[in-house]
Amino acid sequence: NAGVTQTPKFRVLKTGQSMTLLCAQDMNHEYMYWYRQDPGMGLRLIHYSVGEGTTAKGEVPDGYNVSRLKKQNFLLGLESAAPSQTSVYFCASSFGGYQPQHFGDGTRLSIL
Amino acid sequence: LAKTTQPISMDSYEGQEVNITCSHNNIATNDYITWYQQFPSQGPRFIIQGYKTKVTNEVASLFIPADRKSSTLSLPRVSLSDTAVYYCLVGDPPALIFGKGTTLSVSS
Repeated sequence: NAGVTQTPKFRVLKTGQSMTLLCAQDMNHEYMYWYRQDPGMGLRLIHYSVGEGTTAKGEVPDGYNVSRLKKQNFLLGLESAAPSQTSVYFCASSFGGYQPQHFGDGTRLSIL
Repeated sequence: LAKTTQPISMDSYEGQEVNITCSHNNIATNDYITWYQQFPSQGPRFIIQGYKTKVTNEVASLFIPADRKSSTLSLPRVSLSDTAVYYCLVGDPPALIFGKGTTLSVSS
């Protein structure tokens, strides 16, 4: 089992560019999440999904969009990247909202 | 929202028991308390989860008092490999609030 796989692991963007981060899980989990982690800030929830075809906003959704067309995949998009979006992005999945989450190893994104 | 508060850092020596307390004064009736461990350049990893009283697994114990306004993660006989950041998480989506974490440093 691969668990939760994030692609890419590293990326450098210029301000204004767009990109999509991919998260894939092979545990048949219903819930999937995107977090960002900044120094001294812990993890903050960006968007989440409670099942295929559903998405919802988390604590810090501005500047991001998400899609969950297939149960196993959860995509995070940045339409026009800004330096403030430089961060480490983590994807996670779980069976339910209260169930323990399984995390990927993160995508380190730098925006110049 | 059940905001969580943890000590920023703790130091310990190998073989000692370590207790990390998380405060969550506004915890909701249905909220569970979950603890995660994070190593550098890795995603958080689940350690233990509980709702009330005491929960124990092969790596840790979780103590939750009756009022559930705090919880204590207990790591028995820590080793150098337990050096990591520990987070407590309370709530369910969208109110998933990770604390800022406690950096545990274990020395020999």
